[in-house]
Amino acid sequence: SAVISQKPSRDICQRGTSLTIQCQVDSQVTMMFWYRQQPGQSLTLIATANQGSEATYESGFVIDKFPISRPNLTFSTLTVSNMSPEDSSIYLCSVARSTEAFFGQGTRLTVV
Amino acid sequence: QQQVKQSPQSLIVQKGGISIINCAYENTAFDYFPWYQQFPGKGPALLIAIRPDVSEKKEGRFTISFNKSAKQFSLHIMDSQPGDSATYFCAASNGDQAGTALIFGKGTTLSVSS
Repeated sequence: SAVISQKPSRDICQRGTSLTIQCQVDSQVTMMFWYRQQPGQSLTLIATANQGSEATYESGFVIDKFPISRPNLTFSTLTVSNMSPEDSSIYLCSVARSTEAFFGQGTRLTVV
Repeated sequence: QQQVKQSPQSLIVQKGGISIINCAYENTAFDYFPWYQQFPGKGPALLIAIRPDVSEKKEGRFTISFNKSAKQFSLHIMDSQPGDSATYFCAASNGDQAGTALIFGKGTTLSVSS
């Protein structure tokens, strides 16, 4: 298994501001994934983050809105920029060990 | 285009009953099919997973049935308990690529009444 710590666990932010979410893993992993879970919805992949290279974004998500850092093999950050109420969601960090995916507890973001 | 279709959206089962959740996929390259359980305020947790070389996998009260020709798989929860009340997601990926991201179904909210 993998122990994944996400911070903050929740936040309420003003529209137009930015929030950086941190994800710490208990051991080194090659790939880290960021997902968004809108209220009552499923999980949608935002981007895949490899250490030492630019993140790969899924259709509908862009780097200017969701910049990602991956400075080492145990840590990543996701920033939600210039927030609007539509960004209110749970943001989840995930890592894979072999083919099993493990998730952090998520960051519940409310934009007002 | 959604690649994994999950049903039903919600399910109410009596304690001790059988809960059944179904998923269908489109991409024949998928070869890893996990089920995740999510409680409110928590991240999804892996429940059970199957590969298409077997038609059924059982772990305790949880069973996955897999039909490769129909491109369908289902989760059966035997002797359902109130503690099983959660949201369940099926998912799929091409498991040959380690770390390939998962494609999730829309989720099923299960309520087990006592």
